[in-house]
Amino acid sequence: GAGVSQSPRYKVAKRGQDVALRCDPISGHVSLFWYQQALGQGPEFLTYFQNEAQLDKSGLPSDRFFAERPEGSVSTLKIQRTQQEDSAVYLCASSPNRLAGGREELFFGEGSRLTVL
Amino acid sequence: AQSVAQPEDQVNVAEGNPLTVKCTYSVSGNPYLFWYVQYPNRGLQFLLKYITGDNLVKGSYGFEAEFNKSQTSFHLKKPSALVSDSALYFCAVKPWTGKLIFGQGTTLQVKP
Repeated sequence: GAGVSQSPRYKVAKRGQDVALRCDPISGHVSLFWYQQALGQGPEFLTYFQNEAQLDKSGLPSDRFFAERPEGSVSTLKIQRTQQEDSAVYLCASSPNRLAGGREELFFGEGSRLTVL
Repeated sequence: AQSVAQPEDQVNVAEGNPLTVKCTYSVSGNPYLFWYVQYPNRGLQFLLKYITGDNLVKGSYGFEAEFNKSQTSFHLKKPSALVSDSALYFCAVKPWTGKLIFGQGTTLQVKP
């Protein structure tokens, strides 16, 4: 597609449920990022992929969070046993450049809004 | 620690007046600097970036930003604000091989 596509756009989960959020980056983009944006806050880095390799997962808040990009294109962010504090918008971004995007701007999707009840 | 500060939660200007949204940063080395805009229920849209060279960079929708190395600032400016500029603006910095770090955001409200 022309841009970064994320699904679902909205997800409501009961506390304790597992959720999976999908990101389809711009075709050919090497770098892929996940960010978490809490209400009224700036995006916070979660994890970074260069092709299929997860090079940085320092921002994942707990071992309940897991991300993968097995074929170097589509990525999935999985959250196990969701908690209320996981409620946020999860943004995916991609870049054609290596080196965590280098000097290139990131192209963001519209995000997946997760609400945990 | 690397950080970005946007000292104003909200900026209010009248349509037609100039606007400034402030940003300062604390990052080692010579980072790349970015501004993004976010409209309600939408993703972040790139406005402009500073990589090297001229300290004044021009971007989308008539926005520009001035890089000041001594003050470690990268303020966003526009000579004449439009009501349609009302949105949430994020400053971000990126160390050369590091990840993009965002400020907390500034809501710009332009009133007719």
